[in-house]
Amino acid sequence: AQSVAQPEDQVNVAEGNPLTVKCTYSVSGNPYLFWYVQYPNRGLQFLLKYITGDNLVKGSYGFEAEFNKSQTSFHLKKPSALVSDSALYFCAVRPHGSSNTGKLIFGQGTTLQVKP
Amino acid sequence: DTAVSQTPKYLVTQMGNDKSIKCEQNLGHDTMYWYKQDSKKFLKIMFSYNNKELIINETVPNRFSPKSPDKAHLNLHINSLELGDSAVYFCASSQQPGQGVEKLFFGSGTQLSVL
Repeated sequence: AQSVAQPEDQVNVAEGNPLTVKCTYSVSGNPYLFWYVQYPNRGLQFLLKYITGDNLVKGSYGFEAEFNKSQTSFHLKKPSALVSDSALYFCAVRPHGSSNTGKLIFGQGTTLQVKP
Repeated sequence: DTAVSQTPKYLVTQMGNDKSIKCEQNLGHDTMYWYKQDSKKFLKIMFSYNNKELIINETVPNRFSPKSPDKAHLNLHINSLELGDSAVYFCASSQQPGQGVEKLFFGSGTQLSVL
């Protein structure tokens, strides 16, 4: 089965420190991978995507993610966390065979808490 | 201007009732979706429409019936509401899939509480 896993329910980091939110995937074929962020009482917002090319993808708000094919991972990173980054983060993958549907499979989400 | 708007924001109702949630997007997108987020924040696709045509139906009970009068609108009607239907329902839209652009734009959600 094609899936996405986010092993941490919550990540806590101090403001100014680097942050990493982990994601691993299991898909057949070449993966299309995404990160979305959900602020309280809001819908999800797109952060970045990996389709092909450079393994390091840069996105919105200073976030970046590194695609690692051998480890089937797509971890989200930021060099210096801000309190305003505190939110719920979702990793997602487009399952193989769904190129004409737009369907995404989401991970279970990771709450990022950045403390001053 | 809100890109994807859905109403109502909150919906509290009794078991057995029928209710609708409306969604509109002003982005000119061809494709619209309904996602369900449960109490554990798990997010799962329910339906997808492309140019008013149903392209995804993820084994959702037939009490749920989406309707797309035009490509800018995708409404969700739910019959005979059950306790387990309590969740946050998100509408989303995107450009036509298959063109390498799976950037979804989400509405702010409708919190449905079935009592």
